[in-house]
Amino acid sequence: DIQMTQSPSTLSASVGDRVTITCRASQSITTWLAWYQQKPGKAPKLLIYKTSILETGVPSRFSGSGSGTEFTLTISSLQPDDFATYFCQQYNGYPLTFGGGTKVEIK
Amino acid sequence: QVQLVQSGAEVKKPGASVKLSCKASGYTFSAYYMHWVRQAPGQDLEWMGIINPSSGSTTYAQKFQGRVTMTRDSSTGTVFMDLSSVKSDDTAVYYCARGEALIAAPASNFDYWGQGTLVTVSS
Repeated sequence: DIQMTQSPSTLSASVGDRVTITCRASQSITTWLAWYQQKPGKAPKLLIYKTSILETGVPSRFSGSGSGTEFTLTISSLQPDDFATYFCQQYNGYPLTFGGGTKVEIK
Repeated sequence: QVQLVQSGAEVKKPGASVKLSCKASGYTFSAYYMHWVRQAPGQDLEWMGIINPSSGSTTYAQKFQGRVTMTRDSSTGTVFMDLSSVKSDDTAVYYCARGEALIAAPASNFDYWGQGTLVTVSS
């Protein structure tokens, strides 16, 4: 199975900060990576797919990059609505696997 | 608009089976793969398997092979996930999530999710 490792697990930041979350795959997944945002008691919401393609309706302050085994999610200017947990997910092959999540907290 | 509406919370005793449903609307049901993903308290999201709603064919994560069965009812646009011999570590929120269109590769991201169903396994 492909292991997905996210860092950091928790991140404290302020409104307006630039935030970067990293996701590493245990083997190459080319660009088959998605990012999700999850708020307490809610289902995950797709933000980005195929590493860097923004899902319709997602603000442009979110961006993704990377290839192979290392990927990043960047929020260019953190907004109050962005405090949540973020997950990466690989879909290079079965079983589909997720990172352990990064909780973005208010500093 | 696309909606996935899941059945309500369940409480089961160890060794029992649980069957969850996910009713799709707002798109052509038979044209998109459907996946099941679960989230146990404090654990990572865990992919359980995929069903092709057109053919009914399935692929399950090895961890759940022999215990999980995914089916669909095309007349109502509903997919089902049956998990047998449940134990305490099956306590989790279970989500259905829409995958790619059937013309694409089945392994994919998930663009729409159900609201989740909490399954609690307790004696």
